Amino acid sequence: AQTVTQSQPEMSVQEAETVTLSCTYDTSESNYYLFWYKQPPSRQMILVIRQEAYKQQNATENRFSVNFQKAAKSFSLKISDSQLGDTAMYFCAFMKIGNQFYFGTGTSLTVIP
Amino acid sequence: GAGVSQTPSNKVTEKGKYVELRCDPISGHTALYWYRQSLGQGPEFLIYFQGTGAADDSGLPNDRFFAVRPEGSVSTLKIQRTERGDSAVYLCASSLTGDSYNEQFFGPGTRLTVL
Repeated sequence: AQTVTQSQPEMSVQEAETVTLSCTYDTSESNYYLFWYKQPPSRQMILVIRQEAYKQQNATENRFSVNFQKAAKSFSLKISDSQLGDTAMYFCAFMKIGNQFYFGTGTSLTVIP
Repeated sequence: GAGVSQTPSNKVTEKGKYVELRCDPISGHTALYWYRQSLGQGPEFLIYFQGTGAADDSGLPNDRFFAVRPEGSVSTLKIQRTERGDSAVYLCASSLTGDSYNEQFFGPGTRLTVL
């Protein structure tokens, strides 16, 4: 079975600062995908960043980057230059080949002006 | 439409009643997914359609839950004899194909409250 653990239920960061959200996962699969999704109060899940497990290079998308440690089964998200619009729930997710998503319980991030 | 839409946005029903939740995927997307998100939790997979057929329904919790996608576009999630524990946000997502590398685009969800 696949599990995804987010150990930080809530976090806050000052505007323009950097914050890192943690995620660990457990799987016996060798090939899979990892994701970070953002869910604002509107409830709509928005893809932030995606990482293929077979790629050693960490994914980056503008202010968002990941630290993917495959051996440690760790997949943290770093948000640089935090903006007020980054305030949301953030979910880490694992997808094995075959499309079934496994989500963590989320981290509520508040950006403080 | 431009994105995945779901109707209704909110549904309140009484225990024991039947409900239908609708999902309109992005035009041209062949894969469609249903998830359930309980309060304080991440979404949980329910069912995945490839075209008209259910490719994976292993997440449906019991036989009170059923979903259809008769023409390969719109999908309806049906819940019979609703229970208070069914209260949750039901999310729908679609992707261009069923390949894992295709991004899943989520709708805003339907919040179901069973009294």
